[in-house]
Amino acid sequence: DTAVSQTPKYLVTQMGNDKSIKCEQNLGHDTMYWYKQDSKKFLKIMFSYNNKELIINETVPNRFSPKSPDKAHLNLHINSLELGDSAVYFCASSQVAGRGYEKLFFGSGTQLSVL
Amino acid sequence: GQNIDQPTEMTATEGAIVQINCTYQTSGFNGLFWYQQHAGEAPTFLSYNVLDGLEEKGRFSSFLSRSKGYSYLLLKELQMKDSASYLCAVRDGNYQLIWGAGTKLIIKP
Repeated sequence: DTAVSQTPKYLVTQMGNDKSIKCEQNLGHDTMYWYKQDSKKFLKIMFSYNNKELIINETVPNRFSPKSPDKAHLNLHINSLELGDSAVYFCASSQVAGRGYEKLFFGSGTQLSVL
Repeated sequence: GQNIDQPTEMTATEGAIVQINCTYQTSGFNGLFWYQQHAGEAPTFLSYNVLDGLEEKGRFSSFLSRSKGYSYLLLKELQMKDSASYLCAVRDGNYQLIWGAGTKLIIKP
């Protein structure tokens, strides 16, 4: 069984469109995250969500919004897509937040290409 | 600001040993992670160090010196499947993870 699964794997769309990426974890973890990995391979935190507490990276445009129907799901919705949004987006989870040794479990990534 | 530095790319030979270095400057420290990321795949956890010294796990070892802001990942008996990017990440004083850009390791036969 896949621990953290996200769909779709690839997403190609036009500028200005709205799109969503879904993420589900079956590990029973309390915290989920969205990361953006750009062409230089830096992983940048976008959001973390823990027991209904949303922590937003202030550099993320408000066109990006996470939606969590329950503890096992954290979807990412993007409005008015721009060329600069092209990147690989990773969902991840950890048992809890705020502990030093907590390791992250990542989904397989969604490669978003905005044309 | 906070930053993590690693070499961009390294090349090594199958069967050999390679050391990937990571230096960091962060506001506080709550541990250092190494992750492996194969091309087109997700990062996967390799190791965690919070105290100074060497942690050994099979062919992989990770070392930490907090006073020097320095870590390395040592890979022994290299195999072709070890070709991947190796990401260093530090949990800062606020428990935020700060990531390096990763070191792409190329293994040659």
